[in-house]
Amino acid sequence: EAGVTQFPSHSVIEKGQTVTLRCDPISGHDNLYWYRRVMGKEIKFLLHFVKESKQDESGMPNNRFLAERTGGTYSTLKVQPAELEDSGVYFCASSPRTGGTDTQYFGPGTRLTVL
Amino acid sequence: DAKTTQPTSMDCAEGRAANLPCNHSTISGNEYVYWYRQIHSQGPQYIIHGLKNNETNEMASLIITEDRKSSTLILPHATLRDTAVYYCIVSRWRDDKIIFGKGTRLHILP
Repeated sequence: EAGVTQFPSHSVIEKGQTVTLRCDPISGHDNLYWYRRVMGKEIKFLLHFVKESKQDESGMPNNRFLAERTGGTYSTLKVQPAELEDSGVYFCASSPRTGGTDTQYFGPGTRLTVL
Repeated sequence: DAKTTQPTSMDCAEGRAANLPCNHSTISGNEYVYWYRQIHSQGPQYIIHGLKNNETNEMASLIITEDRKSSTLILPHATLRDTAVYYCIVSRWRDDKIIFGKGTRLHILP
């Protein structure tokens, strides 16, 4: 069974540009989560999808970040325009059911560098 | 904010048991203790969780004190591949988001 995949693995962009990160969850997982770690900080929750609906987006830092999950399959996280403080590693996780912290399966992350 | 306190780093000799402590003195009755780890350049990985009783699986054992204010994750025979940051997390079963703290950086020494 394929795990959670994320694309790209690395992205280097300049301040003001747009970047779109993609996450493919494990097939059949209705729940999809985005987290990120900025340099020197802890991993922070960004948002949670149940199928195509946003269940909790309390961790989204500002309106430069837009997450979508059309059709309830893969998800994208767009940063527009990117700022220096957006640099970090963005993780995606999926789980087969709501509730149950043990069932979140994480992808390898996308390392974003904003210059 | 994280509800747990862990040592910043620990060393353990390869082949020995690694015992990682965690304090969670404000844990509520309906909150579980979860452990995750993050190996360098990988995403976090679930290890084990428990409510009151000690738990064991193929990866580790979890010992929770009777008053539930602290716990210990035990890796019985640590290998170099166990070098990682280990996170102790307190969460209700129905909570969906994981609140990570700073974790313990475990170094396995050859």
